[in-house]
Amino acid sequence: AQSVTQLGSHVSVSEGALVLLRCNYSSSVPPYLFWYVQYPNQGLQLLLKYTSAATLVKGINGFEAEFKKSETSFHLTKPSAHMSDAAEYFCAVSSASKIIFGSGTRLSIRP
Amino acid sequence: DSGVTQTPKHLITATGQRVTLRCSPRSGDLSVYWYQQSLDQGLQFLIQYYNGEERAKGNILERFSAQQFPDLHSELNLSSLELGDSALYFCASSATEGSRTDTQYFGPGTRLTVL
Repeated sequence: AQSVTQLGSHVSVSEGALVLLRCNYSSSVPPYLFWYVQYPNQGLQLLLKYTSAATLVKGINGFEAEFKKSETSFHLTKPSAHMSDAAEYFCAVSSASKIIFGSGTRLSIRP
Repeated sequence: DSGVTQTPKHLITATGQRVTLRCSPRSGDLSVYWYQQSLDQGLQFLIQYYNGEERAKGNILERFSAQQFPDLHSELNLSSLELGDSALYFCASSATEGSRTDTQYFGPGTRLTVL
């Protein structure tokens, strides 16, 4: 069975500060991992995905994530937070026909 | 804009009623997936259709059903609605029948409120 666990349901950072959203996965097969973002009252937008090509994955809006097999982690980072980054972020793992989502982390940005 | 469209955007109805949610996939995508997002259950996979045929089932209640039509749009039918069915229902589409490397593109969702 595959699953993802997001550590921290709410993260708050100052504008310009580093953003770090944590995700750990569990998978019996090589995982395919995703980060999605959900802005208020909107749908899910794909930020980035890992499909085993490279361990450091760059996504949209300056986000990136690093796959660490030894730590079973796929944390999402952004060097400098912007007010527009305030949203809910979901880590997810792909199973054969479905995506299994984590519980989400709400990111707040302080001016 | 993902290219996936969903109608209606909002739906308010009463317990015991039946509603139909509609989804049009991205151009060229053959698979459609339905997900439910609720406060207590989070984001959960309901069902997948590929080129008109049911391909995978998740935590979908017997009161819910779906179908995919020849033009590839899909409908999710929810009947005998209960208060607990209030949620955001997302449709997603992908190009193939659902390999793990497929990227699913999500629509804006339909917010269902059952009173």
